[in-house]
Amino acid sequence: SQQGEEDPQALSIQEGENATMNCSYKTSINNLQWYRQNSGRGLVHLILIRSNEREKHSGRLRVTLDTSKKSSSLLITASRAADTASYFCATDPQAGTALIFGKGTTLSVSS
Amino acid sequence: DSGVTQTPKHLITATGQRVTLRCSPRSGDLSVYWYQQSLDQGLQFLIQYYNGEERAKGNILERFSAQQFPDLHSELNLSSLELGDSALYFCASSVAGQLNYGYTFGSGTRLTVV
Repeated sequence: SQQGEEDPQALSIQEGENATMNCSYKTSINNLQWYRQNSGRGLVHLILIRSNEREKHSGRLRVTLDTSKKSSSLLITASRAADTASYFCATDPQAGTALIFGKGTTLSVSS
Repeated sequence: DSGVTQTPKHLITATGQRVTLRCSPRSGDLSVYWYQQSLDQGLQFLIQYYNGEERAKGNILERFSAQQFPDLHSELNLSSLELGDSALYFCASSVAGQLNYGYTFGSGTRLTVV
C-alpha cells in the first residue's frame, strides 16, 4: 500500500531555477525521508527529518515537515542538469518497520 | 559504489522458472530489505531481515521467499515466474532496525520474464 504521495508527478524546469516537490502521507510517522533515483539505478538517501523537526537543510536541499497536515516538501535550490532524477518520499508508519515509498516526482532540469 | 552489492545485474528467464537474487549489505548493517519496483506499482516493500531473522513482511507473494545468512548476505528466491514479475528488484541495508537512519540501496537486479 502507498503511504506517501508525491506531487507533482512530473516537473520540468530550467537550470538555476528552484524545484519544489511535495509529499503527503496518511498515518503518523517517526520520520520522513527523501531519496533520489537516477534512471534505472538504485535510490540514494538525501535527507531525513524526524517527526519533531519542522525544517532541515543539507546543501541545496531544504525539507519541511508539517505533521498536522501530514505533508512534507523538498526544495532544491539553483537546480542543475545533474539534478534530473526521480525523487521519492518515504515514511516509517511504525518504528522499526520498513520504509514505505511514494510513487515519486520526476524532475527534469534542462540547460 | 554504495556498499550494497546485488547480483546479477540483469536476468532474463522464462515463465515458470525459478531464480535467486543475491544481496550483500553494507559492512556493519544488520538489516536487509527487499523491494520490487515496477512502472505501475512503484516501489513495493517485500520483506525485511534483521541479523538473520525475518522482521517484517510486505507485499510478498507466496511464490517468493527470502533468507538472510549468518554472514548477513541475503537471497530472494522467486519461483513459478510470471510475466508480471518482470521488474527491478532492489536490496537495501541499514544500521540496526532503521529507526532514524536512512537506507543504502544496491543498484538492483533487472528481471525480465519472457
